[in-house]
This record gives sequence, C-alpha cells and structure tokens, in this order.
Amino acid sequence: GAVVSQHPSRVICKSGTSVKIECRSLDFQATTMFWYRQFPKQSLMLMATSNEGSKATYEQGVEKDKFLINHASLTLSTLTVTSAHPEDSSFYICSAVLGTSNEQYFGPGTRLTVT
Amino acid sequence: AQSVTQPDIHITVSEGASLELRCNYSYGATPYLFWYVQSPGQGLQLLLKYFSGDTLVQGIKGFEAEFKRSQSSFNLRKPSVHWSDAAEYFCAVTPAGGFKTIFGAGTRLFVKA
Repeated sequence: GAVVSQHPSRVICKSGTSVKIECRSLDFQATTMFWYRQFPKQSLMLMATSNEGSKATYEQGVEKDKFLINHASLTLSTLTVTSAHPEDSSFYICSAVLGTSNEQYFGPGTRLTVT
Repeated sequence: AQSVTQPDIHITVSEGASLELRCNYSYGATPYLFWYVQSPGQGLQLLLKYFSGDTLVQGIKGFEAEFKRSQSSFNLRKPSVHWSDAAEYFCAVTPAGGFKTIFGAGTRLFVKA
C-alpha cells in the first residue's frame, strides 16, 4: 500500500513552453502533498506544500507564478512549470502524506529537460 | 536554524563489511527522524523512522538506526553490506507533529567486491 505515482517519468520540452507533472496517491487519500526539486548529486529541496482545496504554500525563493501547483482532489496534485527555461531542468519529486501520520510516501520522480 | 548534517559525502565499503552512516540534526526539540535510500534516477524509499520509544529502530533490508538524544544523532547501520546497497542515503527530520521535512545532503555509498 501507500503508492505514489508521477507522470511523466521524463519529459523534454523546448524553452518557453509549459510542462505539467502529475502526482497521484494510488491507494490512499492525501490531504497534503509536497513538491521537491533535486539537482544532480544534491539533496532534495522543498519547493512547496500542496493542500487539497487550498492554495499551495511556497518556500522562500520559489516563484509561485512559475511553478503552479493545483491540488484539486485528495489523490492528485499537479505541478506546472510555466515558460520553462534550461535552468528549470531538474528532477522533480512529489510526496504524499498518509492520513494524519508524519510519514511521506515519495513518487518515483520526473526528469525534466528543457532545451 | 534547523538543519540536518550528513558529514560524509561518500563512503566506500567492501561487500560483507559493516556500515555506519552518520547523521546529526539541529532542532529545538526532538523531531521525527527518517532514513531514505535513493537509487539513481529513482524516488526515495523509506528505510526506517523514529518517532518515540525504543531508540534503536529496525528497518527494511537489514538496516537499523540508533537515536542518541545527547548527541543529536541518528546514525544508520548495517552489519553486512551487499552490493545492491550501493545508492544514495538521505537522513531527514520533521518537527514532531508537523509535516515539513528537511533533508541532509546525502551520502553516496559505494560497495566494492
């Protein structure tokens, strides 16, 4: 149980286009989901906290207009990278919190490459 | 400021040898503590966690970790390493009762035959 999926697993897009990444909790409902960014050989950096039915909370330095987050249901959160640029190329990982536990279940990640 | 430190960027051990990965944290109170493993290009898998109680916790794949409050440490151990354990290991902390998690920089484990 407690499986989180991400789609797509990898995407290549041209500079200036927008890309949407989906994060789904497959067998549980998640009121809270998190979006992380991971640069090569570095740790995960929290970008934002996504709460179902409300606006996401962004970490300092993360542009909310560039990284649009929508948590429309208890099993789906989406991250849209708008007007992507090469510096947005990264590994994006989501996680979902199971119920009221403090345990996060991580998706397999999405490799974004902007050319 | 809250922080998580993994002092070793990378460690190399021989297959069959024991392993200890270090993790220290700086928090106002005892947080929840986690160890995750990440294979290249993959997401994170939870190895074990500590919330309260017994300070020696057992995890999956033969890993264990010991919480030492006096040292603000949560070191990961395994008595005998297998080649398949080669991966990146992250220590993480979450404030008790909260959700926001801070990750350490990670330790890359190399296993030599």
